[in-house]
Amino acid sequence: KAGVTQTPRYLIKTRGQQVTLSCSPISGHRSVSWYQQTPGQGLQFLFEYFSETQRNKGNFPGRFSGRQFSNSRSEMNVSTLELGDSALYLCASRGSFTDTQYFGPGTRLTVL
Amino acid sequence: DAKTTQPPSMDCAEGRAANLPCNHSTISGNEYVYWYRQIHSQGPQYIIHGLKNNETNEMASLIITEDRKSSTLILPHATLRDTAVYYCIVRSDMEYGNKLVFGAGTILRVKS
Repeated sequence: KAGVTQTPRYLIKTRGQQVTLSCSPISGHRSVSWYQQTPGQGLQFLFEYFSETQRNKGNFPGRFSGRQFSNSRSEMNVSTLELGDSALYLCASRGSFTDTQYFGPGTRLTVL
Repeated sequence: DAKTTQPPSMDCAEGRAANLPCNHSTISGNEYVYWYRQIHSQGPQYIIHGLKNNETNEMASLIITEDRKSSTLILPHATLRDTAVYYCIVRSDMEYGNKLVFGAGTILRVKS
C-alpha cells in the first residue's frame, strides 16, 4: 500500500505571498492531520480533517487554513506568509478503525 | 502541553539493545502510549503503541509499568540506521478528533 504523499517537497516563497500544500493520504484513510515542525517550537498540531470536516484545530492564527476533498486528499493554505512560517509541514493520515497516524515525508517551506 | 518526559539524548553501541525510557505519570486510564521516531528531516515513523500490556512488533518492544506511569521502548539490536529522535506520546483522544502532542523527544545516537 502506498504511503502518505505530500507535494511539493520543497518550496520557497517570499513574505506576504500565500502557499498551498497538498497531501494524499494512504488509500482508504479518511482522516488527515497537519503538523508544523520548527526548530524552536518542535512538532505542533495544526488541524485535522475527517470526511471533509475539520474536527480539531491547534493554536495557530487564521492565516493557516485547510480543507479536505471527497477523495480524502487534503490541502493546507497559509496566507500572508511571514518569515516565522518557514518550517517542515507534515501531513498524517489515519484509518477509520485505528488510532495510529502515518506521516508523509513533509513539505519544506522557506519564506524569504 | 506534552504529557511525557524523556531524556534529551542517549548513546547506544551498535548491535546492543537500546532502552529508551519515558515517564507519563498523569496518563489517564484510556490513553495509549505511542512511540514514533524521526530520522533527520523526514516525517515521523510509527514504531509501536500500547495501553497496559507489553507489546512487540518487528521493530521494537514496548514495556509499560503496571501503574502505567512509565514505559520503555526497546530496540533489541540497534543499528546505525536507528539513529533518530524518538518521541513518546500519550495520545490525546478527543470526542471528535485525534491529535498527537509531541515533546522534545530523545536523540538516540547509535555508534559503531
